[in-house]
Amino acid sequence: DIVMTQSPDSLAVSLGDRVTINCKSSQTLYSSNNKIYLAWYQQKPGQPPKLLIYSAFIRESGVPDRFSGSGSGTDFTLTISSLQAEDVAVYYCHQYSNTPFIFGPGTKVDIK
Amino acid sequence: EVQLVESGGGLVQPGRSLRLSCTASGFTLGDYAMNWVRQAPGKGLEWVGLIRNRAYGGTIEYAASVEGRFTISRDDSKSMAYLQMNSLKTEDTAMYYCTRIYSSSWHRSFDNWGQGTMVTVSS
Repeated sequence: DIVMTQSPDSLAVSLGDRVTINCKSSQTLYSSNNKIYLAWYQQKPGQPPKLLIYSAFIRESGVPDRFSGSGSGTDFTLTISSLQAEDVAVYYCHQYSNTPFIFGPGTKVDIK
Repeated sequence: EVQLVESGGGLVQPGRSLRLSCTASGFTLGDYAMNWVRQAPGKGLEWVGLIRNRAYGGTIEYAASVEGRFTISRDDSKSMAYLQMNSLKTEDTAMYYCTRIYSSSWHRSFDNWGQGTMVTVSS
């Protein structure tokens, strides 16, 4: 099974600061059509996860452009360019290349 | 508007069974693979299993933690997906979400989620 790790476990930054979350997979994530099956979700307390980024870097419709995804192979990054109060949440990366689909352990983002 | 609504959760004793339902609306269920994902209180997300749509064989896969105890099914004519949970254990206590993935554009991942239904396994 593919193992997904995230760093850091949590972070607290000031409003307007840049946030970087890293995700590493134990195997290269790819498909036969050259799509990368890596997604990022945001989960706020008491709510279901919300898709932010799919295929490693494609922003879901309606997601603010301060959120961006990058990476390839086994190393991926979610960046929030300027943290807003409404971005306080737990962020999960997710590989859906092979079953079992695995989520990273999550990174909690708070305001300093 | 796309909606997924889970139901059927509740308090159940260890060893007993429970059946969760996922009601889909606003889209054609038959175009999607359906997944179940759970989240234990205060913990992260765990994929439970999926059922592909008919065009992709309707195959079903499970996480090792539920294989042999849980069964996923679907009824596209009713726009429903189901999760039959047998031999429940205390560690199955979690919020259970259903979520979809578009079979013809798999790279789009789990783009819609229900609000979840809580399952508590306790004596």
